[in-house]
Amino acid sequence: DGGITQSPKYLFRKEGQNVTLSCEQNLNHDAMYWYRQDPGQGLRLIYYSQIVNDFQKGDIAEGYSVSREKKESFPLTVTSAQKNPTAFYLCASSTDHSTVYGYTFGSGTRLTVV
Amino acid sequence: EDKVVQSPLSLVVHEGDTVTLNCSYEVTNFRSLLWYKQEKKAPTFLFMLTSSGIEKKSGRLSSILDKKELFSILNITATQTGDSAVYLCAVAHGQNFVFGPGTRLSVLP
Repeated sequence: DGGITQSPKYLFRKEGQNVTLSCEQNLNHDAMYWYRQDPGQGLRLIYYSQIVNDFQKGDIAEGYSVSREKKESFPLTVTSAQKNPTAFYLCASSTDHSTVYGYTFGSGTRLTVV
Repeated sequence: EDKVVQSPLSLVVHEGDTVTLNCSYEVTNFRSLLWYKQEKKAPTFLFMLTSSGIEKKSGRLSSILDKKELFSILNITATQTGDSAVYLCAVAHGQNFVFGPGTRLSVLP
């Protein structure tokens, strides 16, 4: 079955550590996105990538980094520079007609700083 | 600044009630408005709206868009406990979306 897989589902990080969240899709979608969700707030765009080896900053990119070496994979690294990383992270993908057909979302990773 | 506002932010009803969720927006280059249902993890797609006045229906759910007044509503009739979720409104502009904060709906038995 085609879909998006995010791992791990839960992640605990000590302050000062970098952690990487995995996102893999087998939908042959060109575009991939990372969103952050905080309680009472909408999804906020961190980074997005329309094609392999290219990515763009979203609205809240500070403290995060990404790579897009393969079409299927779009990992997100939460660096120690991110001041408040505890949140729910959602990965999404879409065809190049994303704004017509919408996104397919992964199941998310809940990151907690301890 | 592009923004999407949803109301109410939280709603508690009893099974069988009818609810109306609101989404208003201010975005440049509007392309479409989407409704998602988020239960525990991944949001699932409900509706996509691009034209004013055309109601989309799926079972007990329906939605309509007013592009003149810049809002959409999502109606759920005869609510069930399984409708309990966060309902997200997203507006497409350019290549990306702007999401609203969501409405948390709790349906009590």
